[in-house]
Amino acid sequence: DAKTTQPNSMESNEEEPVHLPCNHSTISGTDYIHWYRQLPSQGPEYVIHGLTSNVNNRMASLAIAEDRKSSTLILHRATLRDAAVYYCILSMYSGGGADGLTFGKGTHLIIQP
Amino acid sequence: GAGVSQSPRYKVAKRGQDVALRCDPISGHVSLFWYQQALGQGPEFLTYFQNEAQLDKSGLPSDRFFAERPEGSVSTLKIQRTQQEDSAVYLCASSLGLSYYGYTFGSGTRLTVV
Repeated sequence: DAKTTQPNSMESNEEEPVHLPCNHSTISGTDYIHWYRQLPSQGPEYVIHGLTSNVNNRMASLAIAEDRKSSTLILHRATLRDAAVYYCILSMYSGGGADGLTFGKGTHLIIQP
Repeated sequence: GAGVSQSPRYKVAKRGQDVALRCDPISGHVSLFWYQQALGQGPEFLTYFQNEAQLDKSGLPSDRFFAERPEGSVSTLKIQRTQQEDSAVYLCASSLGLSYYGYTFGSGTRLTVV
């Protein structure tokens, strides 16, 4: 699986937008970009995924660069409950793949009240 | 149930003891995965089932680790002769299938080997 690079941690204020970057310069044409988050003492939770076009759902937006070598997860209005580790993952399957998802260390998002 | 259920939530084992960790996936979910998560790290893939068939066990760290899903629903991860390095959170995830987006993870079993 192609590798992703994320900042170790980011800090933001409550009720402000948060932009979480992810670099994936070796992404292949068939790789989907997945985002999961993990709240303390819980398993990871699906956030969003996309292939080429920007995607929106009730949790977040995913902005994908035109060359697909980077992407940004956007939380439009962060709350304290969004404090978590966010993982950016590539997989050739829209569903994640038969070998599972390859998690890195992710970005630890800290939300200040 | 509404989500993936794992039991026990916490397990303390003496070194050398055998343990069994249980995963109840969402009903109807074909794919089931086990992951191991060490403190401060992301989850690492252990093994994958499609229904009752174990299609990939390349992530199992040693032959002391064994997983089964005999009827294609509940799965058990067994660790024989536990060692201190086995201490971790063990996560189970399920999905409708490879083409269906979004794995649903359980809350995990935290195993501590003393």
